Order: sequence, then C-alpha cells, then structure tokens
Amino acid sequence: DIQMTQSPSSLSASVGDRVTITCQASQDISNYLNWYQQKPGKAPKLLIYDASNLETGVPSRFSGSGSGTDFTFTISSLQPEDIATYYCQQYDNLQLTFGGGTKVEIK
Amino acid sequence: EVQLVESGGGLVQPGGSLRLSCAASGFTFSSYWMSWVRQAPGKGLEWVANIKQDGSEKYYVDSVKGRFTISRDNAKNSLYLQMNSLRAEDTAVYYCARSGVGDYGIFDYWGQGTLVTVSS
Repeated sequence: DIQMTQSPSSLSASVGDRVTITCQASQDISNYLNWYQQKPGKAPKLLIYDASNLETGVPSRFSGSGSGTDFTFTISSLQPEDIATYYCQQYDNLQLTFGGGTKVEIK
Repeated sequence: EVQLVESGGGLVQPGGSLRLSCAASGFTFSSYWMSWVRQAPGKGLEWVANIKQDGSEKYYVDSVKGRFTISRDNAKNSLYLQMNSLRAEDTAVYYCARSGVGDYGIFDYWGQGTLVTVSS
C-alpha cells in the first residue's frame, strides 16, 4: 500500500499568515492527490483535487501543488474559519490512503 | 442538492454484525462510484471500501477483507456495508462518500456519518 506522510501534524499561526502543509507519498502517484478540510464534528470537505484543482465554491486562498511523491497545500492568508484538520489522500491505485492529518489552530 | 444520509450504526458486541445503509438523493446514483470511509474517535480518516457504478468491482482495505461486504441497490439509490466479526478496532464514525463518475478516488460529497461502537 502507498503510505502518505503529512507534516506537520499540527501548527499554530496568526490570522493573515501564509500556511503550508506538505504530503509525501511512499511512491510515485503522479497527480492523484486530493486535499480535504474537516471541522470538529463535521464530515470532511473536498478542497483540492488532482493536486492543484480547486473544487467549485472553495475560496481562492486555498491552493495545491506538486506531482510524483511531493505535494504542498497552502492557505495564502489564514482566516478564523479555516480552523480545522486538513488531510491529503491518494488514489493512484484502488487501495486509497489518507495522510495522518494536520490540525491548524489560530495563534 | 446532493444528500447522503447514513443509518444503522450503534453498539454491538465483539464478534457481532451490523449493516450500515446510505440513502442517496439529488444525483444519478447509478452513475457514480461510492465509498465508505471511517474515522476512529480522535483519529484520522481511513478508506474502508468502494464499489463501481454497476457493482461489478469492489475493493477493500486489508483490515476488513473477508469481514465486511459493500453493496448497492441502484433502484433504491442506496449503498450498504455489511460488517461481520466486528472488533473493538472497528469502532468509528462511518461515512458514506460519493466518488466521481470516472474518478473513483475523489470524494466530492460526504454524509454526516453514523457511529459504530464495538464493545462488550
């Protein structure tokens, strides 16, 4: 199975800061990489698909990049409503796997 | 509006069985791959199983192979997860998730989840 290593596991930043989360795959997954946001007590929400495509209706401050094994998720200007846990997820093969998650808090 | 509503969760003893259901509406259910994803209390997300549009292909995470069965009824717009030989480590919120028409691995809509607790 493909392992997804996400870092950091948590971070604290100020409103307006640029926030970056990385996700590394244990093997080449091309661009088959998605990012989700999960707020406490809620279901996950798709933000970015195929590494860099913004899902309809998602604010443009969210972005993704990368291919192969190394991927980056960025919030260009952190807002209070962005407090959540973020997960990467690969679908290079039919054994789908998620990263461990990054909890984002306000400093 | 796309809606996915899970049901069937509850408390079950180790070794027991449970059947989860997911009622879909607001889209052409028979056109989409569907999946179950779970989340143990305080833990991350884990994909459990998925099923092709016509039910001809099914895939499972290794930890549930031989114990869980995913199925669907396109006439009833419903997805199911039959869970047998349940273990404490199966305790989790189980989400039903829609995947793309051609992209089985992008979960674009999720239900609210149903809690399964395996305990004596």
